[in-house]
This record gives sequence, structure tokens and C-alpha cells, in this order.
Amino acid sequence: TQLLEQSPQFLSIQEGENLTVYCNSSSVFSSLQWYRQEPGEGPVLLVTVVTGGEVKKLKRLTFQFGDARKDSSLHITAAQPGDTGLYLCAGDGNTGKLIFGQGTTLQVKP
Amino acid sequence: DAGVIQSPRHEVTEMGQEVTLRCKPISGHDYLFWYRQTMMRGLELLIYFNNNVPIDDSGMPEDRFSAKMPNASFSTLKIQPSEPRDSAVYFCASSLMSGAKNIQYFGAGTRLSVL
Repeated sequence: TQLLEQSPQFLSIQEGENLTVYCNSSSVFSSLQWYRQEPGEGPVLLVTVVTGGEVKKLKRLTFQFGDARKDSSLHITAAQPGDTGLYLCAGDGNTGKLIFGQGTTLQVKP
Repeated sequence: DAGVIQSPRHEVTEMGQEVTLRCKPISGHDYLFWYRQTMMRGLELLIYFNNNVPIDDSGMPEDRFSAKMPNASFSTLKIQPSEPRDSAVYFCASSLMSGAKNIQYFGAGTRLSVL
């Protein structure tokens, strides 16, 4: 059974601080995705990483895929209140379905 | 495209009643997924379809849950009879498998409360 462990589960920080969210598995994934979900809405894709060691940047967000394609991280620089939400990582095991982590609830206080 | 459309957005019902959730996927997508989200268990995959055919229903909690996809533009998730522990937000998502990417597009969800 493929599992993705996401940490931390909850994070409450002040505006301007940096943070990192981790997503780890013992399984290899063909790609890994990060989604963000706001209250009352469904998850929305932020980025997909496909190649081992790949780094993608989306403004203040940096996503990295591990060399072995088993883990990923999301780093936010100078967090802002607008970054508040639930962040989900999801691995594609080439079965048609995605394996989702438990999610990280981020609160950025002004 | 309007995206994945779910209805109703909110449903309040009494224990024992039948509940039907509806989903219209994005036109042209060949996969459809039903998820349930709770604080305790996170986002759980219930069942998914490929080209209208159920592929994996191992996440369906029990026989009270059933899902159908009669055509490429419509799917339902039915709970009969409903129980208070079924209270959750139910999401439908669709995707188009393309190369190495499997990007899922989610609807806004149906918040179900069973009293």
C-alpha cells in the first residue's frame, strides 16, 4: 500500500516567517503534486514535479522532488496571511489515482 | 469550461434517509473520482471511474454507499440509509491522463450533515 506522510499537520506562524512542509513515502512516484485548499472550496493544483531532484518556484513558494522520487518539500519564504490554507501533497503511482497526504493546515497571522 | 460542478453544495438530512450527491466532470476528462474529507481522516478516495467504468471501489466504507456513472458527463454518489458518521464534505474530481501528468480538478464539494 502506498502512503504519503505529510508533516507538520498544523503550523501557525507570523507574517514574514519562512516555513517548510515535508511529504515522505517509502514508495516511488512518477510525479508528485502539491495542492492548496481554502475553506469552502476544493483543492487546487499548485505544481507538479516529475523529475528526481527537480526544483520549481512559484513566486515565494519553492517545491522540490527528492532524487529518488519518494519525497518532496514545499518551502514558503516570507509567508503572508494570504498563504493561509490547507496544503496537500499527492503522489501519482501510475494507477490512475493519486495518493494524498494528510495535509498541513497553515495559519499565517498578520 | 465551468469546471467540475457538484450539487447540492449543502445537504442536511436525518439519519436513515437516502442522500444523493451529483457531479458533472469537466468535458473530455476520462477519469472521475469521489472523495470524502473529514478533520480526523483527511481526504479519502472512495471510488474512481475510467471512461465511465468503476475501477477501484475499495475505499467505499460499506454497502450503504454506491456510485454510478451512467455517461461521461454525470455521476452520482448515493448513501442509503445515511448515518451521522457519514457527515463530511464530499468532493468529486475529474482528470485527463496525459503523459506523465495526472492533474485532478476538484469541485467545490457537498457538505453533508446527517442529524
